[in-house]
Amino acid sequence: DAGVIQSPRHEVTEMGQEVTLRCKPISGHNSLFWYRQTMMRGLELLIYFNNNVPIDDSGMPEDRFSAKMPNASFSTLKIQPSEPRDSAVYFCASSFGRGGKGGEAFFGQGTRLTVV
Amino acid sequence: AQSVTQPDIHITVSEGASLELRCNYSYGATPYLFWYVQSPGQGLQLLLKYFSGDTLVQGIKGFEAEFKRSQSSFNLRKPSVHWSDAAEYFCAVGHILTGGGNKLTFGTGTQLKVEL
Repeated sequence: DAGVIQSPRHEVTEMGQEVTLRCKPISGHNSLFWYRQTMMRGLELLIYFNNNVPIDDSGMPEDRFSAKMPNASFSTLKIQPSEPRDSAVYFCASSFGRGGKGGEAFFGQGTRLTVV
Repeated sequence: AQSVTQPDIHITVSEGASLELRCNYSYGATPYLFWYVQSPGQGLQLLLKYFSGDTLVQGIKGFEAEFKRSQSSFNLRKPSVHWSDAAEYFCAVGHILTGGGNKLTFGTGTQLKVEL
């Protein structure tokens, strides 16, 4: 398996523009997570999906952030409008769990977002 | 709510020396514990995990960790550090989701520098 695939790897955009980050989880995994990493706040969980359903989005910073998972092989994280303080590395991760047991999370390479 | 503390922000060791990175967790039930490593510009790679059973777990790259319930600790060790081990190390505690998968809460990370 190619692992978790994120695109783009780097994104530079102007303040006020819409940004869409994409993620393809590992085939067969049933949980998907979006994390944000900054120097100030470390790794923060933004939202996670279980079987394509958003379970907890309490980590999403504002209404400007939204995430979707239309099917088991694709998820997006959208920021509209973007602001300079959104600059960070955004990671997608997926895992598989069954019978009340959870597996480890596998991370993508991340998308480095810079909002100028 | 679960939490993870990594008390050492930076650690410097000489190549060939032993290494111990500290991790303390807070979790109301039996914890699922993980150590991840992140090289610059890369995603997070799993080093090892503890779900149950033997409290001393072996991981990749010669790393091991010991779960001590009485101390709420899961310290990472390596008997002889290599220059290529220089990276940032994250400890995480997992909360099992109803539908499977782990919701990971990460510590703030420990940056390891290896002196030649």
